[in-house]
Amino acid sequence: ELKVEQNPLFLSMQEGKNYTIYCNYSTTSDRLYWYRQDPGKSLESLFVLLSNGAVKQEGRLMASLDTKARLSTLHITAAVHDLSATYFCAVDQGGSEKLVFGKGTKLTVNP
Amino acid sequence: DGGITQSPKYLFRKEGQNVTLSCEQNLNHDAMYWYRQDPGQGLRLIYYSQIVNDFQKGDIAEGYSVSREKKESFPLTVTSAQKNPTAFYLCASRERGGKETQYFGPGTRLLVL
Repeated sequence: ELKVEQNPLFLSMQEGKNYTIYCNYSTTSDRLYWYRQDPGKSLESLFVLLSNGAVKQEGRLMASLDTKARLSTLHITAAVHDLSATYFCAVDQGGSEKLVFGKGTKLTVNP
Repeated sequence: DGGITQSPKYLFRKEGQNVTLSCEQNLNHDAMYWYRQDPGQGLRLIYYSQIVNDFQKGDIAEGYSVSREKKESFPLTVTSAQKNPTAFYLCASRERGGKETQYFGPGTRLLVL
């Protein structure tokens, strides 16, 4: 059974600082997705990572995938308040059309 | 505009009542999903459908039922057997067999009176 673990679950950081959110998963997969959720809202797709070594960047966020380590990272550079949200990673279970989601990382960026 | 719509935005259920949440998509996606999210928690899969007239149970299907009579529609019924239905319900769709992400609707918040 595929399990997806994110850490940390809560992250409070100052504006201008850098930090990384980690997403580990338990079985082989080469399809991983990152989403953002603002309070009271739905999920918005951020990144789609489809192969080992894939790297995607959008603004101050950069996501990468290491399928051999079964690890994805979401790196935040020079955080700003607008990045405050909950970030979820999800892994494709393969063959079933299902995604398995991590518990989410609640990020708070303080001035 | 292509996307997913969910209605209503808020829904109130009385004890012993069945209620139905609507989900419609015009993205021409084969696969559709229902998730439940409790406050401060992650997403749990209720049901999913890979094609019309077919659906599978997710991790927490008890107390819920679905139908998939049309490609664009995947309604979820919360039955009276679901004793703790208060949650945020999210519908999603995805291109089947591809490598696309899931696209989510705006959600329905269900509250028990």
